[in-house]
Amino acid sequence: GDSVTQMEGPVTLSEEAFLTINCTYTATGYPSLFWYVQYPGEGLQLLLKATKADDKGSNKGFEATYRKETTSFHLEKGSVQVSDSAVYFCALKARGYNKLIFGAGTRLAVHP
Amino acid sequence: DVKVTQSSRYLVKRTGEKVFLECVQDMDHENMFWYRQDPGLGLRLIYFSYDVKMKEKGDIPEGYSVSREKKERFSLILESASTNQTSMYLCASGIQGAEELFFGEGSRLTVL
Repeated sequence: GDSVTQMEGPVTLSEEAFLTINCTYTATGYPSLFWYVQYPGEGLQLLLKATKADDKGSNKGFEATYRKETTSFHLEKGSVQVSDSAVYFCALKARGYNKLIFGAGTRLAVHP
Repeated sequence: DVKVTQSSRYLVKRTGEKVFLECVQDMDHENMFWYRQDPGLGLRLIYFSYDVKMKEKGDIPEGYSVSREKKERFSLILESASTNQTSMYLCASGIQGAEELFFGEGSRLTVL
């Protein structure tokens, strides 16, 4: 079945460091791909998405590119802030289906 | 703004008790979902509903049931709570065919 694999956390960085969180997927066909973020004490919210190969999603300085050849959707940010500390979830949605399939989540802690 | 409201942020119940988790959304979304979130496992889909009185099993429906009598409300029911149902429960809603889901803040259930 369809699945999403994320790098294990926690990821601990200093402020202004470069961030990469790896995400790979297994799916039949061409799913849509997402990154959701969960700040402490809150529900998940959509961070960015890409719906076809080579699309780049971006928001709040974060970026991710849909790579069909490597079945990946890695999340990057050039300079993280303390306020980026959260849990990040990679997810996919297969075409024709309503449900999202999530990865295990990666906790990011950014220190001043 | 879309608002998904879960009735209880924290609940403590005893083994064998019947538990109701309520979720209400205010954006007239057709689709509603219940996920459970556990460390290292990410979010796993319990049940979802694409219309009033309609429901479909997700990946881990055992031990749970749902009810959707009105479009805005989706309830998760644990008929006889067990300790392995201690978890964070997240409700989400979305437009039919749309990519984005909107999540509530979660209900943390502890079963003693």
